[in-house]
Amino acid sequence: GAVVSQHPSWVICKSGTSVKIECRSLDFQATTMFWYRQFPKQSLMLMATSNEGSKATYEQGVEKDKFLINHASLTLSTLTVTSAHPEDSSFYICSARPQGEDQPQHFGDGTRLSIL
Amino acid sequence: AQTVTQSQPEMSVQEAETVTLSCTYDTSESDYYLFWYKQPPSRQMILVIRQEAYKQQNATENRFSVNFQKAAKSFSLKISDSQLGDAAMYFCAYRSARSGNTPLVFGKGTRLSVIA
Repeated sequence: GAVVSQHPSWVICKSGTSVKIECRSLDFQATTMFWYRQFPKQSLMLMATSNEGSKATYEQGVEKDKFLINHASLTLSTLTVTSAHPEDSSFYICSARPQGEDQPQHFGDGTRLSIL
Repeated sequence: AQTVTQSQPEMSVQEAETVTLSCTYDTSESDYYLFWYKQPPSRQMILVIRQEAYKQQNATENRFSVNFQKAAKSFSLKISDSQLGDAAMYFCAYRSARSGNTPLVFGKGTRLSVIA
């Protein structure tokens, strides 16, 4: 079945560092990918919709300069957390859906980001 | 905007018994999809079951079934013969069918404990 690969699974870095998270659709093309953020014991909150070849659409309250999204190909979207601070520590999950209205959405395994 | 409400933050069930998780949603659309996702401690998002709004028949997947009441905008999940492996967070989710690029909207989740 369709698989979404997310890398890295866990990253710890110092405050002020920029961190890039990759999301790949392994066996299907995804013109759209979604980035979610999940705080402990909370639900998934949509951060942005990543569109191949165009700018991402950010949800209200999400800083586009802080969370840079690039969707340069039909199988890869990246989320870069720029100048990360401890409050950016969270679990980030990407998802993608194959073309076709009836296709289910597939999720990456998530990235646990810890900023010291 | 669509919203999804899960009114039970936590539920528990005895092993081999049946439990029902509640979900209501608010939408003005007539065509949409509803989902239940399971998130175990590994934090993987696992699709449990899906329902197309245009289908009157309730979806079933082995021990999992839903009670879809479109007029009441209710979408509950029934887990029969509960197993220890069913312990997880369960998220109800909504997706509009108006285009191929609509994201999932999640409820806040219900934490299910299974008692041996």
